[in-house]
Amino acid sequence: DQQVKQNSPSLSVQEGRISILNCDYTNSMFDYFLWYKKYPAEGPTFLISISSIKDKNEDGRFTVFLNKSAKHLSLHIVPSQPGDSAVYFCAASVKGGSEKLVFGKGTKLTVNP
Amino acid sequence: DTGVSQDPRHKITKRGQNVTFRCDPISEHNRLYWYRQTLGQGPEFLTYFQNEAQLEKSRLLSDRFSAERPKGSFSTLEIQRTEQGDSAMYLCASSFFLTSRLREQYFGPGTRLTVT
Repeated sequence: DQQVKQNSPSLSVQEGRISILNCDYTNSMFDYFLWYKKYPAEGPTFLISISSIKDKNEDGRFTVFLNKSAKHLSLHIVPSQPGDSAVYFCAASVKGGSEKLVFGKGTKLTVNP
Repeated sequence: DTGVSQDPRHKITKRGQNVTFRCDPISEHNRLYWYRQTLGQGPEFLTYFQNEAQLEKSRLLSDRFSAERPKGSFSTLEIQRTEQGDSAMYLCASSFFLTSRLREQYFGPGTRLTVT
């Protein structure tokens, strides 16, 4: 049972425009959410996170929005750059114990020059 | 600035052989995780250490898998009698536990295992 879902396997945007990546979750116990970026043959790189007590967190060109009632989060990248082309993973964890990450299947973002 | 390192980066082995992977976490991090990623999937949790204690194991971790973290520093993941289904990217991650305020995990580059 997929607790974290990224329903769009791929997304293509033009350089300079906004990229919006979406993620849905089913486990209401999740209270911390993270986005990772992954290039081929490398490990995931942490991008940005958000606690369930917030509904928005911003870091430079990256903003994450959390809608707890809809169990939905999104990552906005503005402006998109060709170097942003990668696979983006949404992850979530439950407070306490291992706080292991549960990942979605990823969305491949292509930013065209 | 040393991040998480993993060795080897690639391993090709024949079915039935044993393999061992090493992970060196960020030095001040007391939490260490192992994940496995197969094609088209996100990473899946395998096991977790806090300092030297292995506190959680996924049911994905069959009895052919064993992990250790002696002295709470580096960790090893061993797979005995490898099977073709073990072919995957094995990822190590570490984090610093501080009252769960910051829960970001930092990943190494992974070890790509191919079982022939």
